[in-house]
Amino acid sequence: KNQVEQSPQSLIILEGKNCTLQCNYTVSPFSNLRWYKQDTGRGPVSLTIMTFSENTKSNGRYTATLDADTKQSSLHITASQLSDSASYICVVSSPRQGNLIFGKGTKLSVKP
Amino acid sequence: DAGVTQSPTHLIKTRGQHVTLRCSPISGHKSVSWYQQVLGQGPQFIFQYYEKEERGRGNFPDRFSARQFPNYSSELNVNALLLGDSALYLCASSSGLAEQYFGPGTRLTVT
Repeated sequence: KNQVEQSPQSLIILEGKNCTLQCNYTVSPFSNLRWYKQDTGRGPVSLTIMTFSENTKSNGRYTATLDADTKQSSLHITASQLSDSASYICVVSSPRQGNLIFGKGTKLSVKP
Repeated sequence: DAGVTQSPTHLIKTRGQHVTLRCSPISGHKSVSWYQQVLGQGPQFIFQYYEKEERGRGNFPDRFSARQFPNYSSELNVNALLLGDSALYLCASSSGLAEQYFGPGTRLTVT
């Protein structure tokens, strides 16, 4: 069964600290992997998209990595800000399925 | 340029009623997908439409239906509402297999 598993489920960090969120997937075949940020009650907003051949991609303070061999991805947030408090969702696209497979997300809380 | 828009923002229905949710994609996008997101979970795929034709359907009962209009806007209909249908319903538009852009969602509460 195609799945996307994220860890940790929730995370609390202090403002200014760094953190890393994990994503493991079993989706095959694989088109691309995306990280989305979702504020409570709002639609997800794309942070990064990586294809099979990409190892890393950055978007400001967000850096995503991908290891297609081990089917693992991570999202690293540098110098966290209060506005980073949100759910971060890992999403895998498979050409066979024709749609997106979502993880349950990691709920990040940044405290002052 | 306007992003994906959805209406209404919130609504409350009672069990057994019917609901229609609406979505307008980004101008030029011909594909619309619908997702259901229950509190604390990731979105679950319901339908995808491209050029007014259904291209994909998730594991949802026949009470859920959708359609896409000539202007590429879309409606999601849910009949015989159940308490478990309470969720955030997300619409996403794309220009084919490219990145999907999500709307703000419609929060449906079934009492």
